[in-house]
Amino acid sequence: KNQVEQSPQSLIILEGKNCTLQCNYTVSPFSNLRWYKQDTGRGPVSLTIMTFSENTKSNGRYTATLDADTKQSSLHITASQLSDSASYICVVSPNAGNMLTFGGGTRLMVKP
Amino acid sequence: DTGVSQDPRHKITKRGQNVTFRCDPISEHNRLYWYRQTLGQGPEFLTYFQNEAQLEKSRLLSDRFSAERPKGSFSTLEIQRTEQGDSAMYLCASSKKAGTSGRYEQYFGPGTRLTVT
Repeated sequence: KNQVEQSPQSLIILEGKNCTLQCNYTVSPFSNLRWYKQDTGRGPVSLTIMTFSENTKSNGRYTATLDADTKQSSLHITASQLSDSASYICVVSPNAGNMLTFGGGTRLMVKP
Repeated sequence: DTGVSQDPRHKITKRGQNVTFRCDPISEHNRLYWYRQTLGQGPEFLTYFQNEAQLEKSRLLSDRFSAERPKGSFSTLEIQRTEQGDSAMYLCASSKKAGTSGRYEQYFGPGTRLTVT
């Protein structure tokens, strides 16, 4: 069964600090990996998308890395802000974009 | 066009009643997806359409669930004889083929939160 596991499940950090979220997957074949941010009560919003040939991709203070050999990805958030408080979901696709497999998400809370 | 819209945003219904949700995708997006998300979990795929054709359905989509996209634009998701286990956020997403990459980037709506009492 294709799975996407994320850790930690939840995380609390102080404003201004950095953090790293982890994602391990067993989805095969692998086409691309995405990180989404989901605010409470809202739909997910895409942060980054990487294919197997891409090792890193940045979007402002968000930097995603991918190791397709070990099937691991991370999302690094630099200089966190209160508005970063949300769930961050790792999503893996075995093809061009239909059958997405979602991780359970990491719930991040940034405190002042 | 400001994005994917869903209606209603919240629905409370009694067990056994039927409910219908609507999703309006981004204009010109030929693919439309339905997902279900329970509290603290990631979304789970239910079904997707390419234009008006329903191309794939998850095993999660029981006989009580039906989705339509009659003219290839908006879509409806109906749940018949609702059960308490149907309580969840129902998310809709739409996409179109992105140039030469062949990739479909999915854009999500705000979701419809269903509570079955």
